[in-house]
Amino acid sequence: ETGVTQTPRHLVMGMTNKKSLKCEQHLGHNAMYWYKQSAKKPLELMFVYNFKEQTENNSVPSRFSPECPNSSHLFLHLHTLQPEDSALYLCASSQLPSTGEAFFGQGTRLTVV
Amino acid sequence: GQNIDQPTEMTATEGAIVQINCTYQTSGFNGLFWYQQHAGEAPTFLSYNVLDGLEEKGRFSSFLSRSKGYSYLLLKELQMKDSASYLCAVISRNNAGNMLTFGGGTRLMVKP
Repeated sequence: ETGVTQTPRHLVMGMTNKKSLKCEQHLGHNAMYWYKQSAKKPLELMFVYNFKEQTENNSVPSRFSPECPNSSHLFLHLHTLQPEDSALYLCASSQLPSTGEAFFGQGTRLTVV
Repeated sequence: GQNIDQPTEMTATEGAIVQINCTYQTSGFNGLFWYQQHAGEAPTFLSYNVLDGLEEKGRFSSFLSRSKGYSYLLLKELQMKDSASYLCAVISRNNAGNMLTFGGGTRLMVKP
C-alpha cells in the first residue's frame, strides 16, 4: 500500500462510452500526475497538477480530460476513446519542491473495444 | 527536453551481480531515481541520487556521475524475484517546478 489509491483496477469500455478514472492520495502531497504505460513503451507523462493547477499537458488528445478538485483527488475523464488508448494508466503523487519522489497507485488497466 | 537511455533487456543468473546503466541529457537536473516494476504492477521506489557517488541499500546500490550524465543500478546476490523492469527516472526543474521523466526501462530476467 503506497498511500495512492486508484479505481477501478480494470476497465473495459466501448469507443462511444464515457468513463472516469479516479485517484486519491493520503500522503499530503501537493502534486499529482497521470501516466500512460503502453506495452513495450516507456511511461508517458500525460498531466501534472501542482497545487491543483494543471502545469503540464504533454500534447494529450482532448478525449482525455483531467480534473483535480482538490489536492487529494485526481480524475481522468474518458470519452470516445480509440483501441490504441488501451494501456495501464498510472496515477502518482509527490511533494514539490523537495526530492519529488513519486509514489504510484496500482494503476487502471484500460481496454477499449 | 529530456533524453534518458537504458538497455531494453538484460539476462543474469541467480546469485550473480548485474549492473543496469542509465545515461541522461537534461536541463535543470535535480536528482535521479531508480524504480522497480513487476509485470502488471505499479513502479516501486528503489533509490534516489542527487550527489555524485554510490548509495548502498542492502543488495541494491545506485551510482551517479552528474558530470557524465550517467547512473547505474547494481543488484547483488540476484534472486528469481528480482526479475522485473527497472526504470531510471530523472527529476528536472522547469518554470513550473520539478518534473519527473522516465526512461524506457530495462527488463531484467534472472535465470536459475
